[in-house]
Amino acid sequence: DQQVKQNSPSLSVQEGRISILNCDYTNSMFDYFLWYKKYPAEGPTFLISISSIKDKNEDGRFTVFLNKSAKHLSLHIVPSQPGDSAVYFCAAIYSSASKIIFGSGTRLSIRP
Amino acid sequence: ETGVTQSPTHLIKTRGQQVTLRCSSQSGHNTVSWYQQALGQGPQFIFQYYREEENGRGNFPPRFSGLQFPNYSSELNVNALELDDSALYLCASSRGGRDEKLFFGSGTQLSVL
Repeated sequence: DQQVKQNSPSLSVQEGRISILNCDYTNSMFDYFLWYKKYPAEGPTFLISISSIKDKNEDGRFTVFLNKSAKHLSLHIVPSQPGDSAVYFCAAIYSSASKIIFGSGTRLSIRP
Repeated sequence: ETGVTQSPTHLIKTRGQQVTLRCSSQSGHNTVSWYQQALGQGPQFIFQYYREEENGRGNFPPRFSGLQFPNYSSELNVNALELDDSALYLCASSRGGRDEKLFFGSGTQLSVL
């Protein structure tokens, strides 16, 4: 039962262009969403988050958009840089639970 | 401020054996969560400890158990290892309460042969 889904296992984007990573969820009780970034041989690192009461959150080159009616969120990276090449995990949490539920990840490759 | 550290980094065991993985939480953090990440998948929640008490558990059998110590470090124990237990085991610490941000260690790569 995958409550958080990342349907694109990989994405290749040219340096300087926009990267858009997508995530869908099924549980309407989620009240907080997060994006984590993972390099090989390292643990995931927190990137950006958004509360379910908002529809956009921006932090530098990273913007997360939330569409509650569609149960969809996306992460925009602009402009994309070589250091952005990593696996990106979408995650969600609801306040009555202690666990964060992760998607399966999207491997982003930034090409020159 | 020291980050989350895990030991060992790699481990090879045979089916039926027992394993103990260790985690030191980031300073100031009183909550530790353990996740299992199989190849090609996202991290799956095993359980969480808050002030030495289990505070939530995922869909893992009882042979997965844990401890949290007074200094908030933690152990994950797995008994009767199975081949499917081969995975990256990630420990994450947080400040607890409504702090959703997890700080992860680099993980322990467990191979069961």
